[in-house]
Amino acid sequence: QLQLQESGSGLVKPSETLSLTCAVSGDFIGNNDYGWGWIRQPPGKGLECIGIAHYGRATYYAPSLRSRVTISVDTSKNQFSLKLTSVTAADTAMYYCARHKSQVDWFDPWGQGTLVSVSS
Amino acid sequence: QSVLTQPPSMSAAPGQKVTISCSGGKFDIGKKYVSWYQQVPGTVPKLLIYENDKRPSGIPDRFSGSKSGTSATLDITGLQPGDEADYYCGTWDTSLSIAVFGGGTKLTVL
Repeated sequence: QLQLQESGSGLVKPSETLSLTCAVSGDFIGNNDYGWGWIRQPPGKGLECIGIAHYGRATYYAPSLRSRVTISVDTSKNQFSLKLTSVTAADTAMYYCARHKSQVDWFDPWGQGTLVSVSS
Repeated sequence: QSVLTQPPSMSAAPGQKVTISCSGGKFDIGKKYVSWYQQVPGTVPKLLIYENDKRPSGIPDRFSGSKSGTSATLDITGLQPGDEADYYCGTWDTSLSIAVFGGGTKLTVL
């Protein structure tokens, strides 16, 4: 059974870098039929796709975040990572990782999510 | 502001039917498949409908989806108290080259 589990710092200072990792079990992250995505949800608000990475292929980022975000895939550890630089309070959110089905564009399954707060 | 437009809230009584709409444009819903997610408060979003009208294993047939042109709908029949949740539509935006979601619809079962 495929499972995803986020880990990383839950508290980040303004202007610093948010770093999260999503460990994948039950599937090989190098499977070319799927991408690996990060989605966030600010408190009380809706879902926003941050980006989707594919092993050996293109990585797609939300235009509003492209200048600050990097998503990378590590097949040796079967995990993928998110780095978001120069964070502000507006980046406070629940961050989810999820598997993305390429071409038909659905996300399943999702990780449990990790709350990241940006505060000094 | 979301690329896809959903009504912020809807309500209906147990046993009734509700239809949640998701409106997009020619570069997103008009070109790509639509998926729907259910998020019960305090829980992880769950895939409810994929590729416009398909249900993952374990999703009851009370939930159905459809797409026409640049809009999609999620129908829920025989409403139950446990259906009270936020519902999000999603697709791919070919102009932005990223997955996008609707703003979400909060469904209240009266």
